[in-house]
Amino acid sequence: AQSVTQLGSHVSVSEGALVLLRCNYSSSVPPYLFWYVQYPNQGLQLLLKYTSAATLVKGINGFEAEFKKSETSFHLTKPSAHMSDAAEYFCAVSDPGGNEKLTFGTGTRLTIIP
Amino acid sequence: EAQVTQNPRYLITVTGKKLTVTCSQNMNHEYMSWYRQDPGLGLRQIYYSMNVEVTDKGDVPEGYKVSRKEKRNFPLILESPSPNQTSLYFCASSPAPNTATNEKLFFGSGTQLSVL
Repeated sequence: AQSVTQLGSHVSVSEGALVLLRCNYSSSVPPYLFWYVQYPNQGLQLLLKYTSAATLVKGINGFEAEFKKSETSFHLTKPSAHMSDAAEYFCAVSDPGGNEKLTFGTGTRLTIIP
Repeated sequence: EAQVTQNPRYLITVTGKKLTVTCSQNMNHEYMSWYRQDPGLGLRQIYYSMNVEVTDKGDVPEGYKVSRKEKRNFPLILESPSPNQTSLYFCASSPAPNTATNEKLFFGSGTQLSVL
């Protein structure tokens, strides 16, 4: 069974500082991996996805993530945090050829300190 | 505008009173799914549908029913709601029922359900 673990349910960074949100996955087959963002009172939006092409994936709003098979990780980064980045972030894994189900992590709430 | 529309946005009900949360998408998507979001647990899949008249259980289907009579609609039915079904519910849709071609899930804005 696939799963993802997000380390840190809450992360706070100063405006302009590096954002690093951690995600480790467990999968018996090479997975597809996703990062979604949820702004207050809204549904989830796709930030970026990895589907076995380039290991460094660039997404919207300046975010990127790197797939590292040796570390079973897919950490999300952004060089310089902006106040508008405050949100909850979810890592998710999908089994290629499976039932389309995304298995989500428990989420990381990102707070930006002015 | 392409969107997934859920109604109602907020719902307060009492134990045992049947309710339906509607979900509609205008993107001609084949795949639709329901999730519930609970603090500390992330999103968990309740039911999904890969096409009209094709539905299947997700991780937490107990106490829920769904139907997919039309491509655009995927209502979530709670026949006899209980307090442990108090949660934030999201409907989502996707263009194709195959992860290899799946671009992304489109989410509705959510339905906050409270069962007293």
